[in-house]
Amino acid sequence: DGGITQSPKYLFRKEGQNVTLSCEQNLNHDAMYWYRQDPGQGLRLIYYSQIVNDFQKGDIAEGYSVSREKKESFPLTVTSAQKNPTAFYLCASSSAGGEAFFGQGTRLTVV
Amino acid sequence: GIQVEQSPPDLILQEGANSTLRCNFSDSVNNLQWFHQNPWGQLINLFYIPSGTKQNGRLSATTVATERYSLLYISSSQTTDSGVYFCAVPASGGSYIPTFGRGTSLIVHP
Repeated sequence: DGGITQSPKYLFRKEGQNVTLSCEQNLNHDAMYWYRQDPGQGLRLIYYSQIVNDFQKGDIAEGYSVSREKKESFPLTVTSAQKNPTAFYLCASSSAGGEAFFGQGTRLTVV
Repeated sequence: GIQVEQSPPDLILQEGANSTLRCNFSDSVNNLQWFHQNPWGQLINLFYIPSGTKQNGRLSATTVATERYSLLYISSSQTTDSGVYFCAVPASGGSYIPTFGRGTSLIVHP
């Protein structure tokens, strides 16, 4: 089945640590996106990539980094510079100008 | 950037009732999606509807792009319809980068 897979589902981070969230898609989509959702809020764009080896900052990129070395993969690293990383993270993909599809999300908690 | 406003922010229904959710956007768009976020957080695609009307079972959606709004209709609501409904439109002209409203939180009581 085609789709988007995020892992892990739950992630715990100690203060000062970097952690990487995985996002893989087999929909052959060019564009991929990372969003952050806080309780009771909408989705805010962190980073997006419209083609391999290229990505752009979204509205809240500070404290995050990404790479896009393969079309299928768009991992997100939450760095120690992100002061409030506890949130729900969602990855999505779409064809150019087309319908977007989302993964099941990763819930990150700082312990 | 484009502004997306959804109303109402919260909605409580008895099972069997009908409802209409609204999405207003500040600029012309060539793409609009409706999603349902279930209690586990997953976003389920409901409609991809740049213009016109579509129906899927008890749900239907209408987008009037020239007047910059879209409506999501839920008929004969069920408890499984509970969750948050989001609309998303492109951040700006050109490539589609979904920009979300704050959502409508729906609770359907049995």
